Amino acid sequence: SQQGEEDPQALSIQEGENATMNCSYKTSINNLQWYRQNSGRGLVHLILIRSNEREKHSGRLRVTLDTSKKSSSLLITASRAADTASYFCATAAGYNAGNMLTFGGGTRLMVKP
Amino acid sequence: SAVISQKPSRDICQRGTSLTIQCQVDSQVTMMFWYRQQPGQSLTLIATANQGSEATYESGFVIDKFPISRPNLTFSTLTVSNMSPEDSSIYLCSVAGTAVAKNIQYFGAGTRLSVL
Repeated sequence: SQQGEEDPQALSIQEGENATMNCSYKTSINNLQWYRQNSGRGLVHLILIRSNEREKHSGRLRVTLDTSKKSSSLLITASRAADTASYFCATAAGYNAGNMLTFGGGTRLMVKP
Repeated sequence: SAVISQKPSRDICQRGTSLTIQCQVDSQVTMMFWYRQQPGQSLTLIATANQGSEATYESGFVIDKFPISRPNLTFSTLTVSNMSPEDSSIYLCSVAGTAVAKNIQYFGAGTRLSVL
């Protein structure tokens, strides 16, 4: 079953605006990852944040993690039409190679030009 | 990163038939996974494909319906057996445990299956 719940389920913004997506989970984790999926295709890994980290940046992406609240957020700054996709958070309980990921329900982001 | 080739990319099948999906990776990986994604939904793990032994299935998925093979460290197949319209989904393979990034999963482009 899914561990993560994401909100909002859908988000529509104008190009240039920032987009914030939230993810909550239920059990202890080793790391949390964010993935992007374009039009029902394969998922692309965006960023990984470990349980002992609070914030991480990658280009226009900023991820925060609050383990006390069991929640994470993904911020995309200065959004572009090409950012239109579904975004999923995924949690990993361990740190061994191939630890299973449990995916959240996803946020469908639409960026209007 | 790993490059994953998944075939076929899409298929339309008749009820009662079976479809085998192939997943080929360009390098040896520790783990391979198969997911199902129903329309508008998130990913649900079907099973972990184990090299040289039987796959490990998640609750709700059984070997008779979704037989999986993994003959080596770069290749796996998933068969969807005796299909019904409820099996219409996107099926995704992923890999983990690459030399570069052990904790990240890399996904194939998916197989979009429609069952009539």
